[in-house]
Amino acid sequence: DQQVKQNSPSLSVQEGRISILNCDYTNSMFDYFLWYKKYPAEGPTFLISISSIKDKNEDGRFTVFLNKSAKHLSLHIVPSQPGDSAVYFCAASDPGNTGKLIFGQGTTLQVKP
Amino acid sequence: NAGVTQTPKFQVLKTGQSMTLQCAQDMNHEYMSWYRQDPGMGLRLIHYSVGAGITDQGEVPNGYNVSRSTTEDFPLRLLSAAPSQTSVYFCASSYAGGETQYFGPGTRLLVL
Repeated sequence: DQQVKQNSPSLSVQEGRISILNCDYTNSMFDYFLWYKKYPAEGPTFLISISSIKDKNEDGRFTVFLNKSAKHLSLHIVPSQPGDSAVYFCAASDPGNTGKLIFGQGTTLQVKP
Repeated sequence: NAGVTQTPKFQVLKTGQSMTLQCAQDMNHEYMSWYRQDPGMGLRLIHYSVGAGITDQGEVPNGYNVSRSTTEDFPLRLLSAAPSQTSVYFCASSYAGGETQYFGPGTRLLVL
């Protein structure tokens, strides 16, 4: 039973355009969400997060949007750069105060020059 | 700070062998965890620890043991390796549970 889902295994965009990565969740008790970026042969690195008290959080070229009623969040990258090519994981913090993160399957983004 | 370090980077085992994957962090983080990454499955939590002397099971704990005798170290033991344990293993730490976790570079394990 996948509580956090990234239904698009891959995404390809042109350099300079917008990349939109999507994530859906099933547990309405989730109150903190994170995006991680992973390059091949490296560990995931934290990118951006959002609390459920907000519907948007922005950091430079990266913006995360949260739609609680739809149980959906998205990561926007504008403008996309070839160096953004990586696997992006969406994660939710377990509401049971265990500290656990529950990850989606990941989306591979390819930004073409 | 070295952050989160993992050894070895790559290991080949035969079915039935045992080994320990090492993980250490120098950030004085209380929370540490082990994940495995498999194609199409994302990152799945194996075991986690909220502090020295305290461990608990994650989503896929079978076949793995952990201990947390110090704040810095959180080794993962495979008692009798199976081909299904072929995966990439990541250790992560955070100041407290639920906060941003910092990942090590991973250990790639192949069980023949």
